[in-house]
Amino acid sequence: QQQVKQSPQSLIVQKGGIPIINCAYENTAFDYFPWYQQFPGKGPALLIAIRPDVSEKKEGRFTISFNKSAKQFSLHIMDSQPGDSATYFCAAPQNSGNTPLVFGKGTRLSVIA
Amino acid sequence: EPEVTQTPSHQVTQMGQEVILRCVPISNHLYFYWYRQILGQKVEFLVSFYNNEISEKSEIFDDQFSVERPDGSNFTLKIRSTKLEDSAMYFCASSDGLAGGYEQYFGPGTRLTVT
Repeated sequence: QQQVKQSPQSLIVQKGGIPIINCAYENTAFDYFPWYQQFPGKGPALLIAIRPDVSEKKEGRFTISFNKSAKQFSLHIMDSQPGDSATYFCAAPQNSGNTPLVFGKGTRLSVIA
Repeated sequence: EPEVTQTPSHQVTQMGQEVILRCVPISNHLYFYWYRQILGQKVEFLVSFYNNEISEKSEIFDDQFSVERPDGSNFTLKIRSTKLEDSAMYFCASSDGLAGGYEQYFGPGTRLTVT
């Protein structure tokens, strides 16, 4: 079964800083790696996702970097804002095809003004 | 923008009671999932559902749990006899089956409190 290891557990940055959250996965056969953002009391919201045929993907201030040889992917938040304070989860498919996701343990990000 | 909805937002029940959590997935989606999240922990998969049957289930999804799609829009999770350790947020998710089904959209969750 796919495992996903996420770090750090928590992160505090100043407004405007660039927090980086890392995830490592095990199975190289799978081809989709999403990040979810969760605010307290809310459901996880799909933020951005990458397929391993590209090394980087940007959507607004959010960027995923993908290192296939290292089996790692990371989330960068450019010009972070207090409103970005949330818990971020990386995930990976449990199997191939239409399949459940396996989530990392989450990173609690605090952006302070 | 279409979204997954869930009811109730909060359910309090006594140990041993049955609860039914309800979800309305996004209308053109074909794959449905239940996940749970114990307070402060990661999201864990419970069960997936496709074509009116369970496609996968985790070890958490034991005989106390069941899922049903009683009509064309609702998707329910039933816990037959709740235990204290069932207290958690329960999330429904759905996907359209494209892109390998990996783009799953989550509802706002039901907070289940078992006393």
